[in-house]
Amino acid sequence: DTAVSQTPKYLVTQMGNDKSIKCEQNLGHDTMYWYKQDSKKFLKIMFSYNNKELIINETVPNRFSPKSPDKAHLNLHINSLELGDSAVYFCASSHGGRAADTQYFGPGTRLTVL
Amino acid sequence: GQSLEQPSEVTAVEGAIVQINCTYQTSGFYGLSWYQQHDGGAPTFLSYNALDGLEETGRFSSFLSRSDSYGYLLLQELQMKDSASYFCAVPYQGGKLIFGQGTELSVKP
Repeated sequence: DTAVSQTPKYLVTQMGNDKSIKCEQNLGHDTMYWYKQDSKKFLKIMFSYNNKELIINETVPNRFSPKSPDKAHLNLHINSLELGDSAVYFCASSHGGRAADTQYFGPGTRLTVL
Repeated sequence: GQSLEQPSEVTAVEGAIVQINCTYQTSGFYGLSWYQQHDGGAPTFLSYNALDGLEETGRFSSFLSRSDSYGYLLLQELQMKDSASYFCAVPYQGGKLIFGQGTELSVKP
C-alpha cells in the first residue's frame, strides 16, 4: 500500500513539449506539495495545496501549473519544457500545513528534457 | 533570507559514531527537521526538534540549540545501510520546508 505515489517514474521528452506528472496520497492528509531536486540534490519547494487550495507558490515560472482535483491528488503540468526543467520532482503530503507536521514524500519523477 | 549550512560529505566506518552539523539563518523559526535520502529514493523523515535539547530515536539522535542557531544529527553504531544523504530542514507554517544542501554520508567497512 503505497502512501504517496507518483506517475510516471521517468519522463524523457523534447524541449518545447508539454507534460504532466500525477500524484496521489492515501494517507488522508489535507496538505500536498511539489518539490524540485536538481542535479546537485538541492531540494526546493515549488507549491503547496491545503484541501485543494493553493497555499504556497514559490516564484515558479508560470509554465508550471499545479492542479488539485481533490485533496488526495495533486498534479503538475509543465508547458514548453526547457532544458533547465530537467530534475527529479517529488510530491509530498502532510496531515496539515503546520511546521511540526511530518512530510511524506513520493518516489519521485525523474524528468529529462532533451 | 533563509539559509542552512551543513557539510557536503562525511565518511565513517561501520560501527562508528558520526555527527552531521547544521547551522541556520532564518526569519522566524519553529524547529529543525532531518530527512534521509538514499540514492534514487525519496526523502524520509527522521526527526523534528522544536525545543532545545537532544531527542533520541534508536540509533539516531537529533540536537537543537536555538540560541546558537545550530543543530546536529548523531548516528551511532553506523551500518552500511546508513550510507545516504542527510538533509536538515526548517519548516514554516503552510508546510514550506527549506532544506540545507545535504550531507552525503559514506559508511565504509
